[in-house]
Amino acid sequence: AQKVTQAQTEISVVEKEDVTLDCVYETRDTTYYLFWYKQPPSGELVFLIRRNSFDEQNEISGRYSWNFQKSTSSFNFTITASQVVDSAVYFCALSEARTGGFKTIFGAGTRLFVKA
Amino acid sequence: NAGVMQNPRHLVRRRGQEARLRCSPMKGHSHVYWYRQLPEEGLKFMVYLQKENIIDESGMPKERFSAEFPKEGPSILRIQQVVRGDSAAYFCASSPPAAGGRGDTQYFGPGTRLTVL
Repeated sequence: AQKVTQAQTEISVVEKEDVTLDCVYETRDTTYYLFWYKQPPSGELVFLIRRNSFDEQNEISGRYSWNFQKSTSSFNFTITASQVVDSAVYFCALSEARTGGFKTIFGAGTRLFVKA
Repeated sequence: NAGVMQNPRHLVRRRGQEARLRCSPMKGHSHVYWYRQLPEEGLKFMVYLQKENIIDESGMPKERFSAEFPKEGPSILRIQQVVRGDSAAYFCASSPPAAGGRGDTQYFGPGTRLTVL
């Protein structure tokens, strides 16, 4: 069965601290995709990254980096030198191929507070 | 290229009324997904549609909820006889046809926040 677990409900850090958001997933498929989305207080969902199951290379984009470990079924997200604008709810998601499209399951989200 | 559009952004209904939520996918996208987000919770999949077809409605409540994606026009999520528990944010996402791996990323609209009084 598909499942995405974000064990951290809330994290609070002080600006400039590094913070890692954990994501653990379960799937029986060999082909799947993992995502991170950001939901700022305004409510919209902002796409951050997609990673497919065959690409375990870690990725860095500015202050954001992602660590994909198939051996532990984890796809963790690190924000370096956090800023107040990073305060948001972050969702990890798993997508598996279905007939003609993809079905996506979201984790419960981690609420990040970055204090000045 | 305009993103996914949803309207209205906010909708207030009294118990027993009908709510109609609209979603216009990104240009070139043939797949539409609807999700519901209850307060302080993550997104829950409701239904996945292609033009004129419902592909997967396993997340949709059996009663009062329906969805369509006609050949012309936006996708519609309809909730009949709304109850207070329907108050939530409803997000629509779209993706291009699943070819060459491009169909896997879903792009989300801004959501419709439904309040049932």
